[in-house]
Amino acid sequence: AQSVTQLDSHVSVSEGTPVLLRCNYSSSYSPSLFWYVQHPNKGLQLLLKYTSAATLVKGINGFEAEFKKSETSFHLTKPSAHMSDAAEYFCVVRIYNTDKLIFGTGTRLQVFP
Amino acid sequence: EAQVTQNPRYLITVTGKKLTVTCSQNMNHEYMSWYRQDPGLGLRQIYYSMNVEVTDKGDVPEGYKVSRKEKRNFPLILESPSPNQTSLYFCASSLYAREIAGTDTQYFGPGTRLTVL
Repeated sequence: AQSVTQLDSHVSVSEGTPVLLRCNYSSSYSPSLFWYVQHPNKGLQLLLKYTSAATLVKGINGFEAEFKKSETSFHLTKPSAHMSDAAEYFCVVRIYNTDKLIFGTGTRLQVFP
Repeated sequence: EAQVTQNPRYLITVTGKKLTVTCSQNMNHEYMSWYRQDPGLGLRQIYYSMNVEVTDKGDVPEGYKVSRKEKRNFPLILESPSPNQTSLYFCASSLYAREIAGTDTQYFGPGTRLTVL
């Protein structure tokens, strides 16, 4: 079965410091993986997605994620946090040969001045 | 502008009073889906539809109905709402061509916050 596990429910960083949000996946097939962001009282916005073209994926707002098959990980990073990055982030895997998405439980990112 | 719209955005109702949450997309997407979001659980799929007149259960379908009479619309129906259906609901859509690179992104509506008293 395919699944994702977000290793931290909350992450707190200071503005200007790096961000690391961790996600491990489980899949028998080459997975399609996504990171979505949800700002307070807003819908979900796609940050980036991995579809096997390149292991380092660049997304919007300076975020990127690296697909590591050996570690079954797809961690989200950003070199320098901004106050506007405070939100909830979801790691998502698409079930192979379906349109079904499986969401992680989310990581709430707090950014302190 | 390409978008998924939901109405209403906020709804407070009472147990047993039938309600419908509408979802509409203007991207000619075949695939549409409903999710509910609860704290600590992420998003869970309620129902999905691969095309007009084709619907199927997701992971948490109990207490919900859907219909897909037109490609653009996918309403969520709660025939007899109960307090455990208090949640944040999202509609999403995507092209049904999932193994073609770049077509499997799902676009989400703004959400409907439902409270059942």
